[in-house]
Amino acid sequence: AQRVTQPEKLLSVFKGAPVELKCNYSYSGSPELFWYVQYSRQRLQLLLRHISRESIKGFTADLNKGETSFHLKKPFAQEEDSAMYYCALKTGRRALTFGSGTRLQVQP
Amino acid sequence: DGGITQSPKYLFRKEGQNVTLSCEQNLNHDAMYWYRQDPGQGLRLIYYSQIVNDFQKGDIAEGYSVSREKKESFPLTVTSAQKNPTAFYLCASSQRDKRDTEAFFGQGTRLTVV
Repeated sequence: AQRVTQPEKLLSVFKGAPVELKCNYSYSGSPELFWYVQYSRQRLQLLLRHISRESIKGFTADLNKGETSFHLKKPFAQEEDSAMYYCALKTGRRALTFGSGTRLQVQP
Repeated sequence: DGGITQSPKYLFRKEGQNVTLSCEQNLNHDAMYWYRQDPGQGLRLIYYSQIVNDFQKGDIAEGYSVSREKKESFPLTVTSAQKNPTAFYLCASSQRDKRDTEAFFGQGTRLTVV
């Protein structure tokens, strides 16, 4: 069965510090991985997807199949990055499986 | 204005009653999903539908039912059999069977059993 693990419920950093939100997955097939973000009082929205190899708002995520990880990184955190972040896995049945989420707090 | 709309935003239900949550989208998406969001547990899949008149159970379907009579609509009924229905419910839609396709989410419905 597929599973997504986000080990940290809360990550607190100071503005300008590097950020890494961890995500590990278990799935026997070819994974499709995403990061979704939920800012305060806004709906859940896509941040980035592994297949696009894109950088959004300074965030990047690299799929490491050997370690089955898809960690989200940003070199310099901004206060507006404070939000709830969810790692998600899309499986053969085409329904997203989400991790439990990590709340990122960026302090001034 | 395209998007996905859930109603109502807040819903209160007495124990033993069924209640239906509405989800409508005008994005012309074939696939629609219902998730339940609880603190510390992330989003858990209740039901999903890839096409009209067809739907599949997700990981926590017990105590819930759905219908998909129209492409635009995917209502979720929380039945009296659901033992812990108080939660935040999210509806989503996406294009069907496309690699890396984005899911679009509604604003959610907060259901409270009183």
